[in-house]
Amino acid sequence: SQQGEEDPQALSIQEGENATMNCSYKTSINNLQWYRQNSGRGLVHLILIRSNEREKHSGRLRVTLDTSKKSSSLLITASRAADTASYFCATQGGSEKLVFGKGTKLTVNP
Amino acid sequence: DAGVIQSPRHEVTEMGQEVTLRCKPISGHDYLFWYRQTMMRGLELLIYFNNNVPIDDSGMPEDRFSAKMPNASFSTLKIQPSEPRDSAVYFCASSPRTIAKNIQYFGAGTRLSVL
Repeated sequence: SQQGEEDPQALSIQEGENATMNCSYKTSINNLQWYRQNSGRGLVHLILIRSNEREKHSGRLRVTLDTSKKSSSLLITASRAADTASYFCATQGGSEKLVFGKGTKLTVNP
Repeated sequence: DAGVIQSPRHEVTEMGQEVTLRCKPISGHDYLFWYRQTMMRGLELLIYFNNNVPIDDSGMPEDRFSAKMPNASFSTLKIQPSEPRDSAVYFCASSPRTIAKNIQYFGAGTRLSVL
C-alpha cells in the first residue's frame, strides 16, 4: 500500500507564482524525500529531510516536516516553466525501502 | 558517471512472450531497486538487492516475474509469460551505502507494452 499521499493531484500556476504541494504518510519514518519526474523520464532526487528536522531549504525549494501530523510540504518559490513536472514524496522507515506517493502534477504556464 | 542505464527504452511484445529488462547501476552503488509505474497504482517497489543479494521481493506481483543480479554492474527483470496487465514503465534505481539516508538514482525507464 502507498505510504505517502500527495495533495493536490494536479496544480496549475503562472510563472513567478509559488507552488505548494503537500504529502501525508501513515507510519513512523527516518526521513522524507521529494523527487521530481519530467514527462517520459526517471525520477530525480530533490531534497531530503530527516525526522528530527522541521524545515530545510535548497535554492528555491523549501520543505517542512511535521511528524506529529505525519505531513510534509514542498514549496517552490518563483516558479518557472521548467519546473513543470510531477513531484513525489517518498518515505524511508527502518529499511532501505522508499515508499512513494502518487505524485502532484505541476504545470507552470509561461 | 553515465548514471543508471536501462535497456531497452521501449518494448512492445505479444501476450505470452518472455520479456527481459536490463539495468546497469551506478558504479560503486550497493543497492539496486526495481519499480513499476502505472497510472492506477503509481510507483511500486518490486524487489531490491544489496550487494547483489535479493533482500525484499515482496512486491513482485507473481511467479511470472523474476529478477537477478549476477554481478555488481548488471541486473535483469524477467517476465515470463507476459500479460497485457504487465504494461507499465519499469524503472531501475541504485543507491550508495549510507546510514538512514537512502537517496536513489533512477534510470530513464523501460516502457513495456504487452499486446
